[in-house]
Amino acid sequence: GENVEQHPSTLSVQEGDSAVIKCTYSDSASNYFPWYKQELGKGPQLIIDIRSNVGEKKDQRIAVTLNKTAKHFSLHITETQPEDSAVYLCAASKTGGGNKLTFGTGTQLKVEL
Amino acid sequence: KAGVTQTPRYLIKTRGQQVTLSCSPISGHRSVSWYQQTPGQGLQFLFEYFSETQRNKGNFPGRFSGRQFSNSRSEMNVSTLELGDSALYLCASSLEGLAGVDTQYFGPGTRLTVL
Repeated sequence: GENVEQHPSTLSVQEGDSAVIKCTYSDSASNYFPWYKQELGKGPQLIIDIRSNVGEKKDQRIAVTLNKTAKHFSLHITETQPEDSAVYLCAASKTGGGNKLTFGTGTQLKVEL
Repeated sequence: KAGVTQTPRYLIKTRGQQVTLSCSPISGHRSVSWYQQTPGQGLQFLFEYFSETQRNKGNFPGRFSGRQFSNSRSEMNVSTLELGDSALYLCASSLEGLAGVDTQYFGPGTRLTVL
């Protein structure tokens, strides 16, 4: 089955800096890659997603890039703010697999003042 | 639109008991998926229901089961609880996932503690 690896497990940046989180997947048939932000005591919240027919997608300070050949995708957060501090989860899924998501292990992002 | 709701939010049970968790999806969503989140294993897929039928199943023992009602609301049941079942149980809803993978929206979860 699909396996998703996520790095780093923890990331500490200064406010205003950029943060990059990387995920690799094993199933070349995967074609949908969402990113979720999970704050303490809450459920994951979708922040951005990308499908395999595009290489990059951007939404204000957040961007996701996808490299299908290398089977990896990354989350980029620019101009980080303290409220960006949370656990970020990447996931992968494929058409025909219903709505099953395989998640990475998460990255604890801390934005320091 | 109201988001995904889960009840109860917190639950304490003892080993050997059984538990039922409930999930109400976003209005119009017909697919409901369940996930278990633990510090050691992360977020793992339990099963997905669509049109009252289980469409997908993860690698969990038969003690974990679920169902979906005609209004798309879903319940999951865990029988003969074990200490290792302590986790945050998350429900996610999406439209259909027939033509492809639909965006999943998560509820706040039910925190289950097994003593």
